[in-house]
Amino acid sequence: NAGVTQTPKFQVLKTGQSMTLQCAQDMNHNSMYWYRQDPGMGLRLIYYSASEGTTDKGEVPNGYNVSRLNKREFSLRLESAAPSQTSVYFCASRPTSGGAKQFFGPGTRLTVL
Amino acid sequence: DQQVKQNSPSLSVQEGRISILNCDYTNSMFDYFLWYKKYPAEGPTFLISISSIKDKNEDGRFTVFLNKSAKHLSLHIVPSQPGDSAVYFCAGQAAGNKLTFGGGTRVLVKP
Repeated sequence: NAGVTQTPKFQVLKTGQSMTLQCAQDMNHNSMYWYRQDPGMGLRLIYYSASEGTTDKGEVPNGYNVSRLNKREFSLRLESAAPSQTSVYFCASRPTSGGAKQFFGPGTRLTVL
Repeated sequence: DQQVKQNSPSLSVQEGRISILNCDYTNSMFDYFLWYKKYPAEGPTFLISISSIKDKNEDGRFTVFLNKSAKHLSLHIVPSQPGDSAVYFCAGQAAGNKLTFGGGTRVLVKP
C-alpha cells in the first residue's frame, strides 16, 4: 500500500496563476482532508470530505476549492494564487472506525511569487 | 482564538532522559486528543492518542496524560533517543472528525 500520495512535491506559481494539488489514498478510507502548514502555526484545516460526494469548509477555506472525484481522490484547487497561499499543503485520510487517527501524505511545498 | 496551544516552541534533552511535551486546549468538546511526530520534508505521522474519557494511555516509550479539569495534556517519552528529534504536534478532535492542531514543539535529543 502506498498510503496517501500527493502530487506535485514542489510548485512555484506566479500571482494570479491557477493550479490543482492532487491527493489519492489506497486505504479505502471514507474521509479525506486538506491542511496547510505555516511556520509556528501548526496545521490548519482548509476543506474536508466526510465521504464520497460531500465536501465542507474547514478553518481557512478562502481562495480554495476542492473536488472529491471518487473515494480515492480529493483535489485542492487554487483559482488565482496569492503570495499568502505560500505554504506546505498536506492531504490526509481517515477510516470510518478506529478512533480519530488521520494518515497524512508527504506534502506539497507551494511558493507563490 | 487558538483552541490548542503548545507553549514551548522547542525542547532540548539528553539521550536516555525523559522528554515532556505539554499542550493546553480550550475546547471542551474535543473527544480525542492525538500526538503526531513530523520530520523535515515529510508528512506528520501518528504517535499516540487518548480518549477524553481516559486520563492515561501508554504505548512503549510514549505515554500521554490528560487532565480534563486543567484542559491540559502531556506527552512523556522515556527514554529519549536521537531518532526522536522531530517536531511534535498535539491535536484535538471535535465534531465532524476534524482535527485542530497546536503550533508544534521542536525536540532535539542530544547524544
